[in-house]
Amino acid sequence: AQSVTQLDSHVSVSEGTPVLLRCNYSSSYSPSLFWYVQHPNKGLQLLLKYTSAATLVKGINGFEAEFKKSETSFHLTKPSAHMSDAAEYFCVVNGGSQGNLIFGKGTKLSVKP
Amino acid sequence: DAGVIQSPRHEVTEMGQEVTLRCKPISGHDYLFWYRQTMMRGLELLIYFNNNVPIDDSGMPEDRFSAKMPNASFSTLKIQPSEPRDSAVYFCASSLRRGFTGANVLTFGAGSRLTVL
Repeated sequence: AQSVTQLDSHVSVSEGTPVLLRCNYSSSYSPSLFWYVQHPNKGLQLLLKYTSAATLVKGINGFEAEFKKSETSFHLTKPSAHMSDAAEYFCVVNGGSQGNLIFGKGTKLSVKP
Repeated sequence: DAGVIQSPRHEVTEMGQEVTLRCKPISGHDYLFWYRQTMMRGLELLIYFNNNVPIDDSGMPEDRFSAKMPNASFSTLKIQPSEPRDSAVYFCASSLRRGFTGANVLTFGAGSRLTVL
């Protein structure tokens, strides 16, 4: 069965410092993985996706994630945080043959001035 | 495209009343999903449709919940009767399944915030 675990429920960084949001997955086959972002009172927006092409995936707003099969990880990073990055981030795995997605519990990112 | 359109954005109702949430997916998308988001449970898949046909409704909490998709451009999620524990944000999302991997990229609506008093 497919599952995803976000290792931190809350991450706080200072503006201009790097961001690391951690995600581990479990999948019985080659997974498709995604990161979505949800700003306050908004719907979820796709940040980036991995679908068995390049293991380093670049997304919007300077975010990127690296697929590491040996570690079953798909961590999200950004070199320098901006105040506008404050939001909740969801790691997502493709859940099965029907393609329905399995969402992690989310990581809330706070950015301090 | 205007994206996935949900209405109402906010709904406050009293226990026992019927609630109907509406969704217009992106034109051409053949999958439609209803999710519920709460602080306690996070994001839960309630039901999804493919080509207007319900495929998996195992996430629907109980018989008080029902969903329909009468055509490719409209879906409803109905709660009757509503209860305080139904208070949540309900999201509709649509996707166009692509490629061999079948990787769904969902486009979400802005959500409908339901408060049941």
